[in-house]
Amino acid sequence: DIVMTQSPDSLAVSLGERATINCKASQSVLDSSNNKNYLSWLQQKPGQPPKLLIYWASTRESGVPDRFSGAGSGTDFTLTVSNLQAEDVAVYYCQQHYNTPPTFGGGTKVEI
Amino acid sequence: EVQLVQSGAEVKKPGTAVKISCKVSGHSFSDHYMHWVQQAPGKGLEWVGFVDPEDGETTYAEKFQGRVTITADTSTNTLYMELSSLRSEDTAIYFCATIDFDHWGQGTLVTVS
Repeated sequence: DIVMTQSPDSLAVSLGERATINCKASQSVLDSSNNKNYLSWLQQKPGQPPKLLIYWASTRESGVPDRFSGAGSGTDFTLTVSNLQAEDVAVYYCQQHYNTPPTFGGGTKVEI
Repeated sequence: EVQLVQSGAEVKKPGTAVKISCKVSGHSFSDHYMHWVQQAPGKGLEWVGFVDPEDGETTYAEKFQGRVTITADTSTNTLYMELSSLRSEDTAIYFCATIDFDHWGQGTLVTVS
């Protein structure tokens, strides 16, 4: 199984500032045949199901604000939340679906 | 609009089984795999397994192998997950999700006590 390791476990960011979350895969999730990284980022607010924010490591899901951005390739990825808003308080998960089983990082809690 | 509506909370005794459902609308149910994901209280997300609704083929996480059965009824566009030999560690919210995890059900809390 591919192990997804996120850091930090939690972080506190001031309103309007930037939050950066790291995710490292135990093996590459890049498919060289199509040059796509099978890496997604999800946001989960308290009492709600997860919500897909970014797929293919850097493509925003429809309706996701452009202050959310994803970067990285292979084994190392980053989610950046710029200009943090109060509604961005949540737990963020990275997830790989390069192979089965799909696996999730442990989550990063973002607070104000 | 894609909607996944799950069945209500369940309370079960240890050693028994539970079967929960997820009704899908606005989505080509037969064309794509559907997942179940577990979230224990205060914990992260763990994949349980998926089913291909078209032919019923399933793949399960090793942790749940032998105790979980995922099925799909294409006549009602409903996904099911049955978990047997329940133990306290199975207490969790279970989510259904579409193939790319782009749509999720609201979650079903299963309490084993």
